[in-house]
Amino acid sequence: KAGVTQTPRYLIKTRGQQVTLSCSPISGHRSVSWYQQTPGQGLQFLFEYFSETQRNKGNFPGRFSGRQFSNSRSEMNVSTLELGDSALYLCASSHGDREGQPQHFGDGTRLSIL
Amino acid sequence: SQQGEEDPQALSIQEGENATMNCSYKTSINNLQWYRQNSGRGLVHLILIRSNEREKHSGRLRVTLDTSKKSSSLLITASRAADTASYFCATDPKSSGDKLTFGTGTRLAVRP
Repeated sequence: KAGVTQTPRYLIKTRGQQVTLSCSPISGHRSVSWYQQTPGQGLQFLFEYFSETQRNKGNFPGRFSGRQFSNSRSEMNVSTLELGDSALYLCASSHGDREGQPQHFGDGTRLSIL
Repeated sequence: SQQGEEDPQALSIQEGENATMNCSYKTSINNLQWYRQNSGRGLVHLILIRSNEREKHSGRLRVTLDTSKKSSSLLITASRAADTASYFCATDPKSSGDKLTFGTGTRLAVRP
């Protein structure tokens, strides 16, 4: 079974630009969650999508948005990029239909803002 | 906000020794999970312990949970150089407004 795939692996952008990151979950998983990981703040939850609907949202500004498609693939968009957005963005999938299911992570997209 | 705080932040041991990492959290939880992250990679799920469980084993891993103290520990026995990684606890809170929340992590280095 293929794991969670995130593309691209690395991305360099400049301030003010926007970026779209992609995540393909494990086949059969309907929940996709996104996290931002930085040395200073650690792992911060961005949002979770389940069956194309946003089910949970973390404390990030509206510049961060996402969506999920009917095949459960998800995209995350960040607009008007700031230097502080430099981070490793991780997505994780699970069945999402009951409590206590482990998250399966991709290897992330490393975003650098110049 | 960080629900879990790991202790110590960093740990260096010799191969063959045991490694113990602790996690403290603040709110009531459904379960607590431990994950491992190798440098530059995603997180890998290690073990899940439910709030009504006190101890769980998986191979060389032993996890304990004390809900009265809001703390958990991860013990890795007979460590190997390949265990070198960062280890995170993650709490699944009972509050419906929150999702899985990760701690700050413990960086473990196992010297061959």
